[in-house]
Amino acid sequence: QKEVEQDPGPLSVPEGAIVSLNCTYSNSAFQYFMWYRQYSRKGPELLMYTYSSGNKEDGRFTAQVDKSSKYISLFIRDSQPSDSATYLCAAFAGGTSYGKLTFGQGTILTVHP
Amino acid sequence: DTGVSQDPRHKITKRGQNVTFRCDPISEHNRLYWYRQTLGQGPEFLTYFQNEAQLEKSRLLSDRFSAERPKGSFSTLEIQRTEQGDSAMYLCASSLLLAASTDTQYFGPGTRLTVL
Repeated sequence: QKEVEQDPGPLSVPEGAIVSLNCTYSNSAFQYFMWYRQYSRKGPELLMYTYSSGNKEDGRFTAQVDKSSKYISLFIRDSQPSDSATYLCAAFAGGTSYGKLTFGQGTILTVHP
Repeated sequence: DTGVSQDPRHKITKRGQNVTFRCDPISEHNRLYWYRQTLGQGPEFLTYFQNEAQLEKSRLLSDRFSAERPKGSFSTLEIQRTEQGDSAMYLCASSLLLAASTDTQYFGPGTRLTVL
């Protein structure tokens, strides 16, 4: 079993829809959680960075972490065609594992006009 | 451009050949990471450096793989005697580690390796 599981999709939504992307994880030591966006044949780009449980909002993006259920979510409001990409969740434990990111498989999102 | 750069962007080689990739991190970043990403999968951690010291290597990094970061600046990743299973995107990332809360990794565009 992978430490971070993510539904690979693909997910297709109309422009303007609210998108919900989700991951689960199994390593209780994970404390830091990230969402990256990756366009085709490009490197991942950081979208959101959260510590422990709670919500974080940045523009149209909201990240949620529920450590009790080991569940990570990213919501995209008013989705745009330019949001079409692969979304990767990632986590790391901190301490001596600083920066050693464990990624999910990635969810392919298409937003059609 | 002040982002992470990687060279070459694409590399096609024959099985058994050696290849070397280069990564130039964001200036002043003290941490540098290498990841490997295969089609349809998320990146997998390979190794990382803090300044010039290589602090951790994944089990994925076989004896055919070696990474260096001389003088704590750019880094190279060498694969010897390449195999078809080495075909992947090799991603480099860098960060300025002041505390865990600031260890934001910025990725380069990757080097896509194809082993024939």
